[in-house]
Amino acid sequence: NAGVTQTPKFQVLKTGQSMTLQCAQDMNHEYMSWYRQDPGMGLRLIHYSVGAGITDQGEVPNGYNVSRSTTEDFPLRLLSAAPSQTSVYFCASRVSGGPSSYNSPLHFGNGTRLTVT
Amino acid sequence: DAKTTQPPSMDCAEGRAANLPCNHSTISGNEYVYWYRQIHSQGPQYIIHGLKNNETNEMASLIITEDRKSSTLILPHATLRDTAVYYCIVRVNNYGQNFVFGPGTRLSVLP
Repeated sequence: NAGVTQTPKFQVLKTGQSMTLQCAQDMNHEYMSWYRQDPGMGLRLIHYSVGAGITDQGEVPNGYNVSRSTTEDFPLRLLSAAPSQTSVYFCASRVSGGPSSYNSPLHFGNGTRLTVT
Repeated sequence: DAKTTQPPSMDCAEGRAANLPCNHSTISGNEYVYWYRQIHSQGPQYIIHGLKNNETNEMASLIITEDRKSSTLILPHATLRDTAVYYCIVRVNNYGQNFVFGPGTRLSVLP
């Protein structure tokens, strides 16, 4: 298994541009999520999904959109990039559903480093 | 919601055991303690988790006190590659099935 794959690894955007950060997992995990990590702030949850067709907001959702049309993919969209969105973005997935999955751990991708100028 | 408190940084000599403490005095009865680490801005890596019994796997051991108010992650023979930020997490329910990451402990393994 490749695990959680994020693309691209690096991206530079100008203010106002849009882009989509891709996340795919091949572990058939129902739950997927996006975090951002800024210096001194730790990881903060942006959006999450407990299954195809279901998404919800996390701690810092403003400026980001998500959709979940398949179990494997969970793209994160920036509609109009701002310098405040300069960050490292991590996608994570885990088993969800059923009694044995209640406390299953998160599996992370290696991140996308985004700079907005 | 249970919160965790960790020292911001620790040093450990290579080859010695690294003991990383975590305080979670408000943990509820059905909340698990998880440990992750992050090496040099890579994605966080799962290490171990437990409820109330001590746990051990190929990476580490987790010791949880009987009252569950604190725990210790033990890396039995630390190597330079264990230098990382270590996060102690207690699973919360305010966003469904999500995990909340604090600032963690920066462990430096010294030669």
